[in-house]
Amino acid sequence: DQQVKQNSPSLSVQEGRISILNCDYTNSMFDYFLWYKKYPAEGPTFLISISSIKDKNEDGRFTVFLNKSAKHLSLHIVPSQPGDSAVYFCAASVTSGSRLTFGEGTQLTVNP
Amino acid sequence: SAVISQKPSRDICQRGTSLTIQCQVDSQVTMMFWYRQQPGQSLTLIATANQGSEATYESGFVIDKFPISRPNLTFSTLTVSNMSPEDSSIYLCSVGPGPIPGGYTFGSGTRLTVV
Repeated sequence: DQQVKQNSPSLSVQEGRISILNCDYTNSMFDYFLWYKKYPAEGPTFLISISSIKDKNEDGRFTVFLNKSAKHLSLHIVPSQPGDSAVYFCAASVTSGSRLTFGEGTQLTVNP
Repeated sequence: SAVISQKPSRDICQRGTSLTIQCQVDSQVTMMFWYRQQPGQSLTLIATANQGSEATYESGFVIDKFPISRPNLTFSTLTVSNMSPEDSSIYLCSVGPGPIPGGYTFGSGTRLTVV
């Protein structure tokens, strides 16, 4: 039972353009959502999060949008840079600080 | 946030043998977590390790296969026992949450290949 799904295993964009990574979830109890970025041979690093009481959270080039009715969230990166090339994991928890459920990840490649 | 040192970074092991993975944290933490990432799949929580008590295992994972030690608030080990090729994965330890709600910190991972 995959409660968090990232249906796109890979995404390729040009430098300077927008990258949009998508994530869907099925468990309506989830109320806290996070994005992690992972480079090869490194552990995932926390990128940005959003609580279910919000529909948008922005941090520099990164914005996360949450659509609770659709059980969908997305991560926008603009402008995309080659250094953003990594695997991005979506994660969700029932409450902030409780165990995380991860999606399968999306490999983002930003081409110069 | 905490800094985690995880080792080994990678290993190739014979089937039927065991491998112990270590995680050292630079500060005292209450909860440590062990994850597995099989090829092309998501990070799956194996167990939660609390100091002074037995680890709590998730469905599908058992102590005989993945024994965990947590002797103090800065250190934990995960052993992958009686390995088979299906155990080939990346294993990660994690601590948290940190100052940012939900912001767990991960070790760099151990890439295990069982032949």
